[in-house]
Amino acid sequence: AQSVTQLDSQVPVFEEAPVELRCNYSSSVSVYLFWYVQYPNQGLQLLLKYLSGSTLVKGINGFEAEFNKSQTSFHLRKPSVHISDTAEYFCAVRPSGAGSYQLTFGKGTKLSVIP
Amino acid sequence: ETGVTQSPTHLIKTRGQQVTLRCSSQSGHNTVSWYQQALGQGPQFIFQYYREEENGRGNFPPRFSGLQFPNYSSELNVNALELDDSALYLCASSPGLAGGPEETQYFGPGTRLLVL
Repeated sequence: AQSVTQLDSQVPVFEEAPVELRCNYSSSVSVYLFWYVQYPNQGLQLLLKYLSGSTLVKGINGFEAEFNKSQTSFHLRKPSVHISDTAEYFCAVRPSGAGSYQLTFGKGTKLSVIP
Repeated sequence: ETGVTQSPTHLIKTRGQQVTLRCSSQSGHNTVSWYQQALGQGPQFIFQYYREEENGRGNFPPRFSGLQFPNYSSELNVNALELDDSALYLCASSPGLAGGPEETQYFGPGTRLLVL
């Protein structure tokens, strides 16, 4: 079984400031890692994913994340946020190559960008 | 725009009733997954269908059931609704059976269900 912990439920940050959203996971098998964004009253949009290879992954909208196997973390970063980044962000994992798309999500982090 | 649509967008039911939610996947996507997202929580996996057969289930009771059709549409049925079933229900479609690492899921906008 897998579990995902998002360490901050809410993160306020000023516009153009950097931000880091933290994610830790637990799994007895190897996993793929994902970050999704959910804007108000909308579904989930994939920001980026880590499957293998380079531990630094770049995604859409200027976001990037770094996979740290020893710390079982997959923190999301952006060097300069915009008002339009205000949304809820979900970290998720799924077993690699298991024949299932079953994602296990964290509880989410609400990012509020302050003008 | 993911190419995945869901209907209806909102729904109100009373306890004990039955509900059917619908999802239309991208053409060629043989796998559909359903998730329940309660208020303030992350989505929770309900089940997955591949080529019209259920091939994975999360920790949900049998009153949650599904169907997948050859035209890439699918349904989530919930019987004997309970107050705790109030949530956003998301479907996600994928091209294959998660055999390849490049395969990903495309989420629809969800159906918000309120049970009174």
